[in-house]
Amino acid sequence: DSGVTQTPKHLITATGQRVTLRCSPRSGDLSVYWYQQSLDQGLQFLIHYYNGEERAKGNILERFSAQQFPDLHSELNLSSLELGDSALYFCASSTHRDSGTAFFGQGTRLTVV
Amino acid sequence: TQLLEQSPQFLSIQEGENLTVYCNSSSVFSSLQWYRQEPGEGPVLLVTVVTGGEVKKLKRLTFQFGDARKDSSLHITAAQPGDTGLYLCAGPLYNTDKLIFGTGTRLQVFP
Repeated sequence: DSGVTQTPKHLITATGQRVTLRCSPRSGDLSVYWYQQSLDQGLQFLIHYYNGEERAKGNILERFSAQQFPDLHSELNLSSLELGDSALYFCASSTHRDSGTAFFGQGTRLTVV
Repeated sequence: TQLLEQSPQFLSIQEGENLTVYCNSSSVFSSLQWYRQEPGEGPVLLVTVVTGGEVKKLKRLTFQFGDARKDSSLHITAAQPGDTGLYLCAGPLYNTDKLIFGTGTRLQVFP
């Protein structure tokens, strides 16, 4: 158990809909990273928050947004969903802002039908 | 353009064989990490290397960080079926607050 909790574990929704994925980082970790992993693909960096502040953006679509709340949990919002958005979405947390040592949640498997 | 390229992409070997996975970049990293991911699970951190030329051993796994801190390798001795999985290198991209991952090496070890 990494200490990072993601909910829900599975999500099936229709095209055009909006969903929210939730991540609770390890206790004491200030950094939260979000990644997208499509079938048999690597991890694509989406966005990084540190202590409530957005620190870096990757190839994140404009339809996607995220935030980190004062209690340090984070949410990833995906809207106007398309079939191609079907993927595993992972969050990871880290103690520091610029460390590569991160702990991953179990992921949310999103299926858009 | 992938900033961290791994090779080989796929590796299928028999139990007991040795193997090496490479992670290369044209960028300098302050540190590099290796993770292992099983199907449907999140990646799990194996090791962090920080100093150029550093070698770390974790049982049958040996990790090396290149002198110029642009590349790393993972060597597995006497592979076992339990080593099967997706191996990912990763690193914080200098001055960007991005933690990026390599393209991945999918290892299958047959008994």
